[in-house]
Amino acid sequence: GDSVTQMEGPVTLSEEAFLTINCTYTATGYPSLFWYVQYPGEGLQLLLKATKADDKGSNKGFEATYRKETTSFHLEKGSVQVSDSAVYFCALSDSQFYFGTGTSLTVIP
Amino acid sequence: DTEVTQTPKHLVMGMTNKKSLKCEQHMGHRAMYWYKQKAKKPPELMFVYSYEKLSINESVPSRFSPECPNSSLLNLHLHALQPEDSALYLCASSQDSREGLAQTYEQYFGPGTRLTVT
Repeated sequence: GDSVTQMEGPVTLSEEAFLTINCTYTATGYPSLFWYVQYPGEGLQLLLKATKADDKGSNKGFEATYRKETTSFHLEKGSVQVSDSAVYFCALSDSQFYFGTGTSLTVIP
Repeated sequence: DTEVTQTPKHLVMGMTNKKSLKCEQHMGHRAMYWYKQKAKKPPELMFVYSYEKLSINESVPSRFSPECPNSSLLNLHLHALQPEDSALYLCASSQDSREGLAQTYEQYFGPGTRLTVT
């Protein structure tokens, strides 16, 4: 069946560092891919999405490209801020919705 | 407007109490969801409503009873809960299709209700 595998955390970075959170997927069809972010004590917010191969989703300085050849959707940001500290979930939608296990990011000043 | 609202924000209840969680969206979405999220885990799907009808029940115990009074509202009625039911309960909504393909669309989440069962 479909699944999402996400980079284990926690991840700790200094402010202005480059961020990559890896996400790979397994799917039988042509899924849409998402990144959600969950700040402490809050619900999940849709960060970005891509609906077909080679699409690039972007929002708030974060980017991810739908790579069908490597079945990946890695999240990147060029310069993280303390306010980016949160848990990031990669997700896939096909006939069902699948979440990765989440990656906790802490950015220190 | 991509807002989903949930009330209450926090709820403490005893094992013999009856309480309800409420969720509302005004995005015109016809699919609504309840999830349970434990600390440091991804959300776990509990129920899906499609066009106000229950379409998925992920083998949730009967002490959780969902209700969808109209296309904008979703309730979760709670009765005789156990301490292990303590969690963050998230509501979400999405577009839907008559073919029952709601889960192919992105979901928008509310802020959640933090439930503690004592």
